[in-house]
Amino acid sequence: EVQLLESGGGLVQPGGSLRLSCAASDFSFSSFAMGWVRQAPGKGLEWVSSISGTGSRTDHADSVKGRFTISRDNVKKTLYLQMNSLRDDDTAVYYCAKDKGYGHAWYFDYWGQGTLVTVSS
Amino acid sequence: DIQMTQSPSSLSASVGDRVTITCRASQNINSHVNWYQQRPGKAPKVLIYDASSLESGVPSRFSGSGSGTDFTLTVSSLQPEDFATYYCQQTYTVPYSFGQGTKLEI
Repeated sequence: EVQLLESGGGLVQPGGSLRLSCAASDFSFSSFAMGWVRQAPGKGLEWVSSISGTGSRTDHADSVKGRFTISRDNVKKTLYLQMNSLRDDDTAVYYCAKDKGYGHAWYFDYWGQGTLVTVSS
Repeated sequence: DIQMTQSPSSLSASVGDRVTITCRASQNINSHVNWYQQRPGKAPKVLIYDASSLESGVPSRFSGSGSGTDFTLTVSSLQPEDFATYYCQQTYTVPYSFGQGTKLEI
């Protein structure tokens, strides 16, 4: 069974940084694109970032462009989200998700349980 | 950017009812629409991909249709576990936007 386990969330002050990790298991990690989706408290889903199977293509939402960077380590089977210059409105549960596609997004067929990031002074 | 507009935002129904949720894209996205279900406190789960393809393991009472700009998700006979929030998402082009969600309530 595919498993995605996020870690790295927590409380951070505005302007600070965090790195989220997502450890993947039980599938051929390098064969699939991956992504991050977030959900602010009581709000809907927001796509954040996606990365191709090789890591050669990355895409980010305008709201995080220049501040967040998605990356992956196919040897360690781990997805990352480096978040810098964090703002109050970045507060959300961040979900790691496996894409059914390889080179570009298709649909997210497996999701992690989510990790909460709280940005507050 | 492509805007995905769902309607209604909330919907009251009963077990056994047939319900339809609509998603409208701000421009032509062919059939690049996916539908997700999210129960409270849980991660989303894909139901339908490519507008009308049923994901493996999803009950056949769920169906999707549409192409271009107008899409629908239909539940033919509501079951108690179907009361949740539903989201459409387009993966035609970046940013891969979601609709605002439709909360299905008893």
